[in-house]
Amino acid sequence: GAGVSQSPSNKVTEKGKDVELRCDPISGHTALYWYRQSLGQGLEFLIYFQGNSAPDKSGLPSDRFSAERTGGSVSTLTIQRTQQEDSAVYLCASSLGQLETQYFGPGTRLLVL
Amino acid sequence: DQQVKQNSPSLSVQEGRISILNCDYTNSMFDYFLWYKKYPAEGPTFLISISSIKDKNEDGRFTVFLNKSAKHLSLHIVPSQPGDSAVYFCALRSGNTPLVFGKGTRLSVIA
Repeated sequence: GAGVSQSPSNKVTEKGKDVELRCDPISGHTALYWYRQSLGQGLEFLIYFQGNSAPDKSGLPSDRFSAERTGGSVSTLTIQRTQQEDSAVYLCASSLGQLETQYFGPGTRLLVL
Repeated sequence: DQQVKQNSPSLSVQEGRISILNCDYTNSMFDYFLWYKKYPAEGPTFLISISSIKDKNEDGRFTVFLNKSAKHLSLHIVPSQPGDSAVYFCALRSGNTPLVFGKGTRLSVIA
């Protein structure tokens, strides 16, 4: 099935390194979201893209975090100078439109040593 | 300060009985309420939703109840099945704002 895919599924990195996480949304979905889930916590909104509009970056925890969405499809979440507290599962979701049901990918498990 | 609380981290229920999962919120501006289900190593999947103009929505074995005065949302699963064992998240939004998720409740249905 053509669901939301994310890569890599797991990533181990050293503190201070940069990482890139990729999300391939469902074809035709104009809205794309990034969340993270730290251990024992709920999903925390990070950033949201809708069509060609400026992204809603209100959930990004620091300026070390950035994301882009190229051609209205694939998105990359970049974390610079990773810290141990960045360790979490990073989830991507897409939807047909802003208020439509969000479909989630399996997530990328990031461990910062 | 958490806007959305799921106060029970876990719940065990006998197969065939009713499972009741609860969610409390503080922001009266929330107007759309969703439940997501998550299996290990998978992303959450949408289960059922309700808007603030209704107090009940039913879909097969799943019913969501909304009590706006109490700012309380619940999900009833009846009869519970072993395949329902998963983590359940409530998620709320106000207008077109991002979803706010609870921390989740792990449901175990015992055969």
